[in-house]
Amino acid sequence: GAVVSQHPSRVICKSGTSVKIECRSLDFQATTMFWYRQFPKQSLMLMATSNEGSKATYEQGVEKDKFLINHASLTLSTLTVTSAHPEDSSFYICSARPITSSYNEQFFGPGTRLTVL
Amino acid sequence: EDQVTQSPEALRLQEGESSSLNCSYTVSGLRGLFWYRQDPGKGPEFLFTLYSAGEEKEKERLKATLTKKESFLHITAPKPEDSATYLCAVQETSGSRLTFGEGTQLTVNP
Repeated sequence: GAVVSQHPSRVICKSGTSVKIECRSLDFQATTMFWYRQFPKQSLMLMATSNEGSKATYEQGVEKDKFLINHASLTLSTLTVTSAHPEDSSFYICSARPITSSYNEQFFGPGTRLTVL
Repeated sequence: EDQVTQSPEALRLQEGESSSLNCSYTVSGLRGLFWYRQDPGKGPEFLFTLYSAGEEKEKERLKATLTKKESFLHITAPKPEDSATYLCAVQETSGSRLTFGEGTQLTVNP
């Protein structure tokens, strides 16, 4: 149980294009999903908290117009990197917290490797 | 601001050589402390949640303990497949966000 998927697993794009990453909770519902970014040999940095049916909450320093988050259902959240540039190249990971969880744990997806040329 | 410091940054063990990883934290009010395992190029895998000082949890060769200032992840008789980066994260009582430490990269040699 508690499986989270991400699609695509890796993407290479040209500078200036937009890239959409999907995060799905496969066997549970999640009102809250989280998006993280991880640079090589560094830990996870929270970018934003996504709540189903409402606007995402962005961490300080994260441009909300550049990283568009949509949480349209209890099992799906999307992150769109708009007008991507090489500095946006990173490992993007989502997590989801089950509605029924009384332990507050988050379950993570396998991550998406974004490379912007 | 929440702070999480993990030590050591990297640890090399021989198979069967037990050791401990440390996670020191500063948080205004602790809701939970989480341990995750992350393999290269993959997302973190949930291991444990600890909620109060004195609590202990075990899973196979791993045992996590918690005090008011730090948590330890004890690895007993590790195997090469235990090689991974182990991440510690805290969640404060006022919110749902996790603050992660930098991780300890564990290598277990056969």
